[in-house]
Amino acid sequence: QKEVEQNSGPLSVPEGAIASLNCTYSDRGSQSFFWYRQYSGKSPELIMFIYSNGDKEDGRFTAQLNKASQYVSLLIRDSQPSDSATYLCAVNMNRDDKIIFGKGTRLHILP
Amino acid sequence: NAGVTQTPKFRILKIGQSMTLQCTQDMNHNYMYWYRQDPGMGLKLIYYSVGAGITDKGEVPNGYNVSRSTTEDFPLRLELAAPSQTSVYFCASSLGVPNEKLFFGSGTQLSVL
Repeated sequence: QKEVEQNSGPLSVPEGAIASLNCTYSDRGSQSFFWYRQYSGKSPELIMFIYSNGDKEDGRFTAQLNKASQYVSLLIRDSQPSDSATYLCAVNMNRDDKIIFGKGTRLHILP
Repeated sequence: NAGVTQTPKFRILKIGQSMTLQCTQDMNHNYMYWYRQDPGMGLKLIYYSVGAGITDKGEVPNGYNVSRSTTEDFPLRLELAAPSQTSVYFCASSLGVPNEKLFFGSGTQLSVL
């Protein structure tokens, strides 16, 4: 069964610390991986995408992909209160045009 | 640009009623998606389309129908509303592989009572 799994949280992180969010996926043929941020009552917005094994950095955000372990993660450095949101992992399963989301991880940054 | 526009923003239906959720995009995107989001949960794919005249089922298609007669519009039809369809519905679009970034509409809050 194709699925994307995340720990629902909440994950509480002190302001200024590193927040680490994790996601696993079941389809070994998956090629594209995305992290969306969703504030309460709002639409999701893309913050990172990654296609190749390894790390991809964009400002305070780093996405990490390990296809052998079927694992993708998001690191947020120097966490700010404005980072408090739900983070959704999404996967394009085997490039069949379906983009499947995990349940999301709620992140709380403690001032 | 307006991006992805969804109407209505809120709707209350009685059990057994029908309605259509409208979605239109002005970015000339080929790919369009309908998702539902239950409280505290992620997004579940209902239907998607890779171009005008082409639609396909997602994870939770039962109770819904779609059509894609134009590139811009992708309406979602609920024929016989049930309480289990109470949810927030998001329409999204993208250019498609390999640029799959999703652009979301603002959502429709639907309650079936």
